[in-house]
Formats: sequence, C-alpha cells, structure tokens
Amino acid sequence: GAGVSQSPRYKVAKRGQDVALRCDPISGHVSLFWYQQALGQGPEFLTYFQNEAQLDKSGLPSDRFFAERPEGSVSTLKIQRTQQEDSAVYLCASSPGRGHEKLFFGSGTQLSVL
Amino acid sequence: DQQVKQNSPSLSVQEGRISILNCDYTNSMFDYFLWYKKYPAEGPTFLISISSIKDKNEDGRFTVFLNKSAKHLSLHIVPSQPGDSAVYFCAASGSPNTNAGKSTFGDGTTLTVKP
Repeated sequence: GAGVSQSPRYKVAKRGQDVALRCDPISGHVSLFWYQQALGQGPEFLTYFQNEAQLDKSGLPSDRFFAERPEGSVSTLKIQRTQQEDSAVYLCASSPGRGHEKLFFGSGTQLSVL
Repeated sequence: DQQVKQNSPSLSVQEGRISILNCDYTNSMFDYFLWYKKYPAEGPTFLISISSIKDKNEDGRFTVFLNKSAKHLSLHIVPSQPGDSAVYFCAASGSPNTNAGKSTFGDGTTLTVKP
C-alpha cells in the first residue's frame, strides 16, 4: 500500500510487559513522527526522526519509552515495563521533507495495558 | 498548559448549512497551522493549512481564517455534507529552524452533519 502502515493494530499487554510497535512510513519520506493519543484528547508529540537521526525526543514520557529508525525507513517504538497509564493509541506519521508540511498518519496501534 | 485549544467538543449542523470550527493558540512562535479530519478507527488525514503570512486559505468547500492578533483560527465548511461528520483537529507548528514539522494538536471538535 501507499500509506503509512502500523502494526499491530491492537495490542493487549499485562502490566510490566514490554511491547514493540512498528511503523512503515511512506517510501522515501524523510521525516517520521510518533504521537500518543489518549481517549478524548488530541495527539501528543512523542519523538521525531529525520532519516535515521532522532532529532527530538522531548515528548517521550519516561525512560521506559524508546524509539529507533536504524535504516531511515521502518521505525519501532518500544515501551518497557508497561503501566496502565500507557494505554492509548500510538500514531505514526511521516512527511516527505524537513519543514512545514502536512503529516501522513497511519491508523495507529491501540495499546491496552491490563 | 494547553497551547492549542478547541473549546467546543462538539458541533451539530444541518446539511447544506455552514460549519464553523474554532481554535485558539497561546504560543506566538507558532507560524503554521493545519486542520486534520479523523474518522473512527483511522488516523487523522490532512485537510487544509495556512501560513502565518496569510489570513485566509481556501480549498473547495473548506476555508481557514487566521487572526494572528487574536491568536485564533477557524475552519469554515460550506455547504456541510453528512460525509463531513468526523472529528476535526487543529494543529500548530513553529519555525522550520526549530522543531521541523512537529505539531501541537488541540483536543478536537466532533462535527455531526444531519441530513
């Protein structure tokens, strides 16, 4: 497909479990973003990659959250020792360049921590 | 401290009428504004944007107005159609020299267009 693909679509984790969320951006897109969306709220910025470089991780809520994009394409968001407050939809977005432009979002991964 | 606010959680309009969705921001460093539309179980999709050097941008039935002095923008949809029923998010970003492309989102307004 031509859009941003995220997997899994749904993830149920037990508290304390580690999870990994995958994002396949649109081919050739330089910029990749991760956002967290809690129920009834807007997306909140987590982290930003330009190619393989993580240029901004100011939105990651704790050191349990880690993101990587080793080859400048696919990205993985990892959450260690999940807590109930981590339950949210995790959205990945990509854009072609580096400046002001629209984001192309995936459908998200809905994470539920029990 | 929420930097982008959409004070109306919901809006209901009749088909054919105008829908006006409002957004306020507090950070004067924001200079690019976007509206996204979101259907259930899907990610947001881009609708329209405006740079701070403009006060209006139009694309078909959608027009965005920006009032920099009031730190306020609005999205006008005319005529509204039932397929426009969705959650609308306002987003703002700063200079490309800082956090390139990073956007701050409001909490959204759910628009319902009744046939």
